[in-house]
Amino acid sequence: AQSVAQPEDQVNVAEGNPLTVKCTYSVSGNPYLFWYVQYPNRGLQFLLKYITGDNLVKGSYGFEAEFNKSQTSFHLKKPSALVSDSALYFCAVRDMVTGGGNKLTFGTGTQLKVEL
Amino acid sequence: ETGVTQSPTHLIKTRGQQVTLRCSSQSGHNTVSWYQQALGQGPQFIFQYYREEENGRGNFPPRFSGLQFPNYSSELNVNALELDDSALYLCASSSFSGTGTDTQYFGPGTRLTVL
Repeated sequence: AQSVAQPEDQVNVAEGNPLTVKCTYSVSGNPYLFWYVQYPNRGLQFLLKYITGDNLVKGSYGFEAEFNKSQTSFHLKKPSALVSDSALYFCAVRDMVTGGGNKLTFGTGTQLKVEL
Repeated sequence: ETGVTQSPTHLIKTRGQQVTLRCSSQSGHNTVSWYQQALGQGPQFIFQYYREEENGRGNFPPRFSGLQFPNYSSELNVNALELDDSALYLCASSSFSGTGTDTQYFGPGTRLTVL
């Protein structure tokens, strides 16, 4: 089965500084990787995905992610953090299921706190 | 905001009762997936429906069941509720590609509390 790991429960960063939220993956075959953000008492919002091609993926709200095959990582980045970026971030990997469908397997989440 | 809607927003039930949660998928999407997110955890896959058929299921007991309707909306039914069923239930819609590259767009969720 495919899996992702988010090694940090919480990341703190000052507003205006660059941020990185880490994710590593373990897959058989080609990895299809996703980042989602969740604000309190809300559903998940899609940020970006890596399927193939350019290792630097650009997404919503100024976020980007760098796919690194040798390090099996897919870290989420933003050049300049905003207080409004404070939220829970989930990395996920596509996994096939019996029956022909596919599911997302999520990491445990990283709480990002951006302070003034 | 995605076009995925869920109802109700909140629900309180007692142990042993049954509950039905509803999801309307985004326009143009034909696939619905359901996830359970317990407090402090990542979402866990329950099952997926494509063209009104279940085409994948996670490690959930049979008392979790679902339906998908011709307009691609969906229901999640849970029988014999247990305290551990208290969670945020998320619905996600997508356009099935067969390649696994489709993006799942999530609704706001239904918060279920079992007392």
